[in-house]
Amino acid sequence: DSGVTQTPKHLITATGQRVTLRCSPRSGDLSVYWYQQSLDQGLQFLIQYYNGEERAKGNILERFSAQQFPDLHSELNLSSLELGDSALYFCASSVVGTREETQYFGPGTRLLVL
Amino acid sequence: DAKTTQPTSMDCAEGRAANLPCNHSTISGNEYVYWYRQIHSQGPQYIIHGLKNNETNEMASLIITEDRKSSTLILPHATLRDTAVYYCIVRAISGSARQLTFGSGTQLTVLP
Repeated sequence: DSGVTQTPKHLITATGQRVTLRCSPRSGDLSVYWYQQSLDQGLQFLIQYYNGEERAKGNILERFSAQQFPDLHSELNLSSLELGDSALYFCASSVVGTREETQYFGPGTRLLVL
Repeated sequence: DAKTTQPTSMDCAEGRAANLPCNHSTISGNEYVYWYRQIHSQGPQYIIHGLKNNETNEMASLIITEDRKSSTLILPHATLRDTAVYYCIVRAISGSARQLTFGSGTQLTVLP
């Protein structure tokens, strides 16, 4: 158990819909990362938040957005869903300020868009 | 971040050491080598990381060559539960880009 929690574990929805994925980082970790893993793309970085502020952006679609709240949990919002958005979504958290900043991953949310 | 090259797949007999190689010939002096593994669609699990010296923890050992252009992850006594995809990742020590860049990894299959 990494200490990172994600809800829900599974999500089934229809095209055009909007969903919210939630992540709670390990106690003390200020930074949260979101990654997407699809069959054809592998694990890809989407976005990073640090202490409530966006810090880095990867291959995140404009239909996707994220935020980090004062209690440090983060939400990833996916809208106008398409079949190709079906994937595993992982969040990871890390301590910031050390040279290593090792990331610890949650168990993921499996999204299926029908 | 430097690109890494890993074999696509490897087999290992249960109870034997599993040696997983990684080539990172373009690594720079300010980049760490990280190893993660992913067991069947679970979240990636951190294993170990290193900069220059060899490292060992309760899960594995990491051997980095003197020129730092390659490394080997060693699982000393592989079990069936070690069957997973193993990712070797190189990431800079500092800078604003702190994300991990995953490649295709090595599918390790531990055989009974």
